[in-house]
Order: sequence, then C-alpha cells, then structure tokens
Amino acid sequence: DGGITQSPKYLFRKEGQNVTLSCEQNLNHDAMYWYRQDPGQGLRLIYYSQIVNDFQKGDIAEGYSVSREKKESFPLTVTSAQKNPTAFYLCATLYADTQYFGPGTRLTVL
Amino acid sequence: DAKTTQPTSMDCAEGRAANLPCNHSTISGNEYVYWYRQIHSQGPQYIIHGLKNNETNEMASLIITEDRKSSTLILPHATLRDTAVYYCIVRVARSGGYQKVTFGTGTKLQVIP
Repeated sequence: DGGITQSPKYLFRKEGQNVTLSCEQNLNHDAMYWYRQDPGQGLRLIYYSQIVNDFQKGDIAEGYSVSREKKESFPLTVTSAQKNPTAFYLCATLYADTQYFGPGTRLTVL
Repeated sequence: DAKTTQPTSMDCAEGRAANLPCNHSTISGNEYVYWYRQIHSQGPQYIIHGLKNNETNEMASLIITEDRKSSTLILPHATLRDTAVYYCIVRVARSGGYQKVTFGTGTKLQVIP
C-alpha cells in the first residue's frame, strides 16, 4: 500500500525536550517537505529536501532540524529552541508538480 | 502565485452535486488551478488540477472558465465523508524545482444528511 506515513499521530512533549517526528514514504518521490499548521491558519514551510543528503530551510526553520539520509525518510526534530512548537505538523512529497501530504502529527507541549 | 477567493462556507444535501466556486482573476497563463481538501485533523488531500481544459478524475470534476479567471470544483454525489475544508490554489508548475503550497482560508463544505 503506497503512501506517506507520519508517526506518531499525537505527541506530547515537556518544555525543554527535543522530539523527532517521523515521515516515511514508499512512493519513490525525490522531494519531501515539512510544514506546520496552526489553528485557523494556513501552511508554513519549515524545511524541504529535493534529493538525498540535501535540504534547505523554509520560511520558519528556526528551532527545527532535519536529515535526509534515505530517499524514503525525512525526519523532523523539534528542538527546545522552538519557542512555540504546539502545532499540527505535515510532511509532504512532490511529484509531477503536485504535492501529496501525509496524515500529520499533532504535537502538544505541556 | 495568483491570489484566490472562495466562499467561507457552503452546505450541500447528501447525494446531490456540490459545486464549489473559486475566483482567480489575476491568474497568469502558466499558472495551474489546484484543489485540495482537508478533513478535520487530517492531512490535506490532493483532489485535482488543471490548466485550461476541464478535468475529471475519480473524485471530482474541475471546470475552468474560458478566460481562466474562475473555476468550479464539482463533487457529483456528495457524501457525509466529503465534509471538509476545500482549498483552491493557483501556482506555477516548476518541473523539478522547489515548490511551496500556501493555502488560503478555503471553503468549509458541510454535507447534510
């Protein structure tokens, strides 16, 4: 069954802790993206990667880090430097000029 | 990318066609019209896109006016599972290049039993 998976679906974190959100795809798409969505707001781009071992900062990269060691995987780490990390995080791939989104991870900082 | 305007909300009776309009009067010749939807607490789902011809797939039909300044997404037989926020976006296709999706406020479609 092809698609994009994100785990976990819900994540709770204490202030000061780093946390890693998983994004895996078996669509064989080269490009992958991370967005955050806040209530009532649109999408904001955090990081993107067009090929393995390469990634670029998006509009709101501060407090986040990523890696792209495999084509299938693009994990996002939310560090303690991110001042307001509570949000809905979406991973996406790009193929033929169309972006396809995963189911999302809802992160809540306690 | 061109700006789009959509109604804030719409209702549709279950089983009837849902027609969702989108205005994009400043669209450029190389910009495509894309539609996504987002069911509550889920990731956005790609529906359909087109340049100037009408398009149809298993989910919906996209009707683009001849002047390309507006379009309509048609869900032919709406079900309760179609209740979602529908986003119309206009963007240039940059094959192989960096792309960013930006959603506006969208149309909240409520399908009524």
